[in-house]
Amino acid sequence: GENVEQHPSTLSVQEGDSAVIKCTYSDSASNYFPWYKQELGKGPQLIIDIRSNVGEKKDQRIAVTLNKTAKHFSLHITETQPEDSAVYFCAADYGGYQKVTFGTGTKLQVIP
Amino acid sequence: DAGVIQSPRHEVTEMGQEVTLRCKPISGHDYLFWYRQTMMRGLELLIYFNNNVPIDDSGMPEDRFSAKMPNASFSTLKIQPSEPRDSAVYFCASSFGGGVGVTEAFFGQGTRLTVV
Repeated sequence: GENVEQHPSTLSVQEGDSAVIKCTYSDSASNYFPWYKQELGKGPQLIIDIRSNVGEKKDQRIAVTLNKTAKHFSLHITETQPEDSAVYFCAADYGGYQKVTFGTGTKLQVIP
Repeated sequence: DAGVIQSPRHEVTEMGQEVTLRCKPISGHDYLFWYRQTMMRGLELLIYFNNNVPIDDSGMPEDRFSAKMPNASFSTLKIQPSEPRDSAVYFCASSFGGGVGVTEAFFGQGTRLTVV
């Protein structure tokens, strides 16, 4: 099955700095790579996703890059704000099945 | 739409008791997922349904766990008998497949289960 590794497990940045979270996956048939944000006491919520036919996608301060050859993808958050503090999960699908495997999560702390 | 609705939000039970978690997916969604979240194992997929039919239950930890989806608007996850190691946050999520491949899953607020 799919194995998704995520680094780092914790990340502290100063407000206004950038944050980068990296993930690798094992299944070369994977085509869908979502990123979820989980705030305390809530369920994960999708913030951005990318499919294998593109290498990069951007939405305001967040961007995701995908390298299918190397089987890794990354989340970039620019101009971080205190409200970006949360746990972020990457995920990858099972090559077409309607399910994903989640990474272990990154706890991001933005220091005002 | 109110989103995915789970109940109860918190459940404390004694070891050996039966526990039933409930989920109402978003109307019109045809996929429903049950996840378990713990510090040690992260977010694990337990089972998922498509059009009320279980598709993959390979994540269900053992026979003590069972899930049903009697109709498109309701699903249950039952643990009988419960054990302390079942303590976790259980999430229900739903999505609309639409024949376009994997799509966004919408998560409920979760049920925090504590077995003492």
